[in-house]
Amino acid sequence: EAQVTQNPRYLITVTGKKLTVTCSQNMNHEYMSWYRQDPGLGLRQIYYSMNVEVTDKGDVPEGYKVSRKEKRNFPLILESPSPNQTSLYFCASRMRGQRSSYNSPLHFGNGTRLTVT
Amino acid sequence: DAKTTQPNSMESNEEEPVHLPCNHSTISGTDYIHWYRQLPSQGPEYVIHGLTSNVNNRMASLAIAEDRKSSTLILHRATLRDAAVYYCIPLNNTNAGKSTFGDGTTLTVKP
Repeated sequence: EAQVTQNPRYLITVTGKKLTVTCSQNMNHEYMSWYRQDPGLGLRQIYYSMNVEVTDKGDVPEGYKVSRKEKRNFPLILESPSPNQTSLYFCASRMRGQRSSYNSPLHFGNGTRLTVT
Repeated sequence: DAKTTQPNSMESNEEEPVHLPCNHSTISGTDYIHWYRQLPSQGPEYVIHGLTSNVNNRMASLAIAEDRKSSTLILHRATLRDAAVYYCIPLNNTNAGKSTFGDGTTLTVKP
């Protein structure tokens, strides 16, 4: 089944303890992205990757790192989590068309609810 | 990035059609208009997308204005399972990196 898999689904941690949220897709998609969702603020993009070894900042990258060493995986790293990073996180992937006339949808994971105390 | 404007909330009765509007007046010529919905406690899911012509699929229809500055997602017969937050977002391939979702429209369906 084609899917985007995030782990863990729920995570409670303390301030300053490094953590990684994993994201994996089995659709051979070039494009992957991380979002955070907070009440009243919609989905805000953290980082995205257009392909292996290519990453770029979204709207809210501060406090986060990502890597794209393999096409299927795009982990989100919080080196020193703080309480303001308590949020619901979503990973998404998408095929990049070879022509601008081809356009494909985003596929989302089920989310990771992170609480930083 | 093209910005979108959607009503915060809309209500519908079950079995009736629902028209969800989206304003995207700064859309570029290569942006497709995508719609996603997010059910409670789930990730967003794809609904439909289009470039210029109106589009239909099993979930919904998409009506795109001739000047492409607005679009309308049409649910032909709303069900209770359609209660969700609906997002419209312009996406293209040539500059597909940034994807900024707005706050979406919360659709309530009354039995």
